[in-house]
Amino acid sequence: AQSVTQLGSHVSVSEGALVLLRCNYSSSVPPYLFWYVQYPNQGLQLLLKYTTGATLVKGINGFEAEFKKSETSFHLTKPSAHMSDAAEYFCAVEGAGNMLTFGGGTRLMVKP
Amino acid sequence: EAGVAQSPRYKIIEKRQSVAFWCNPISGHATLYWYQQILGQGPKLLIQFQNNGVVDDSQLPKDRFSAERLKGVDSTLKIQPAKLEDSAVYLCASSHGLIYEQYFGPGTRLTVT
Repeated sequence: AQSVTQLGSHVSVSEGALVLLRCNYSSSVPPYLFWYVQYPNQGLQLLLKYTTGATLVKGINGFEAEFKKSETSFHLTKPSAHMSDAAEYFCAVEGAGNMLTFGGGTRLMVKP
Repeated sequence: EAGVAQSPRYKIIEKRQSVAFWCNPISGHATLYWYQQILGQGPKLLIQFQNNGVVDDSQLPKDRFSAERLKGVDSTLKIQPAKLEDSAVYLCASSHGLIYEQYFGPGTRLTVT
């Protein structure tokens, strides 16, 4: 069975500061890992995904994440936060049959 | 390309009433998913269809929830009777197949009073 833990349900950063959202997972098989973003009253949008190959994955809107097998982590980063990045972010791991297990989410707040 | 459509966007019902949600996936997508997202939590998969067959419904509370995907296109999710704890956003997603990216609709926000 897979599980995902996102440390920090709320993260607040200043505009222009580094964004770091943490995700740890457990999986019995080599994981496929995802980050999704959800803006208010909208569905989830895929930011990036790791399947195989390069462990540093670049996504949309300047976000990237690094898969670290030894730490069972897949943290999301962005060098410089924008006001438009304020949203809820979900980490997910894929199990058999393309079924996603999501973490509890992290709400990112960006202060001017 | 049109996205995943869901209706209604909002629904308020009293407990013990029935409610149904509708989802129209992206054209050509064989796989369809229903998720429940309770406030402050991540989405939880309720049921997954491949064409008109059920792939997984292990987390669907079958005593009150039902879902169907007639003709392998549109899908409906029904709750009968609703409980207070069913208040949540119900998300529909679709993908080309079992190994492809899932695309999510805007969701239906259900409030049970």
